[in-house]
Amino acid sequence: QQPVQSPQAVILREGEDAVINCSSSKALYSVHWYRQKHGEAPVFLMILLKGGEQKGHEKISASFNEKKQQSSLYLTASQLSYSGTYFCGTVAGEMGQNFVFGPGTRLSVLP
Amino acid sequence: EPEVTQTPSHQVTQMGQEVILRCVPISNHLYFYWYRQILGQKVEFLVSFYNNEISEKSEIFDDQFSVERPDGSNFTLKIRSTKLEDSAMYFCASSESNSRARSNQPQHFGDGTRLSIL
Repeated sequence: QQPVQSPQAVILREGEDAVINCSSSKALYSVHWYRQKHGEAPVFLMILLKGGEQKGHEKISASFNEKKQQSSLYLTASQLSYSGTYFCGTVAGEMGQNFVFGPGTRLSVLP
Repeated sequence: EPEVTQTPSHQVTQMGQEVILRCVPISNHLYFYWYRQILGQKVEFLVSFYNNEISEKSEIFDDQFSVERPDGSNFTLKIRSTKLEDSAMYFCASSESNSRARSNQPQHFGDGTRLSIL
């Protein structure tokens, strides 16, 4: 069963912040985040394991609340290069089984 | 930086024909995947492959599909008797982990093969 992402789309001005949420009805072992630019392959951003950790990569960070089966991706001071579709991928088992991508959130950063 | 390579970049095939999509995963990676993305839609998991056998497959991966690692470098997806609805971008990916750590390893994607069924 695929995770739910919200919002479906967001438009920002350069320098603004955004939060993208990913939630699942199943108990999760880990959450992956990928970004896909139009016409390109998905590119790995980060993985969060159960344990409620938070990770960061430059101005993009994420958290994972295993009790709520939710993960959030935080984009601060957005840049034009952040535009693309963000997919979360959820893993329900320690062996990596049942890896499912969410439907994606389309982010557009305008100058 | 090592990368996953896919060939061809675009494949046009008549409905009913067989097509083989090719991928060369990153050399020290152990897990291989195929995904499908219909234009404008989400990335859909098809199959994962480890230790020369399918480790997991989705409902989409029916008898029409098969995967093979014919040699030490290539990983192929064969689609038999193609249908119009098979038109999509097909991505190959690979990850480094052993079987226990698969869930915490990033997947590296190739640039994809755009399959057009006429």
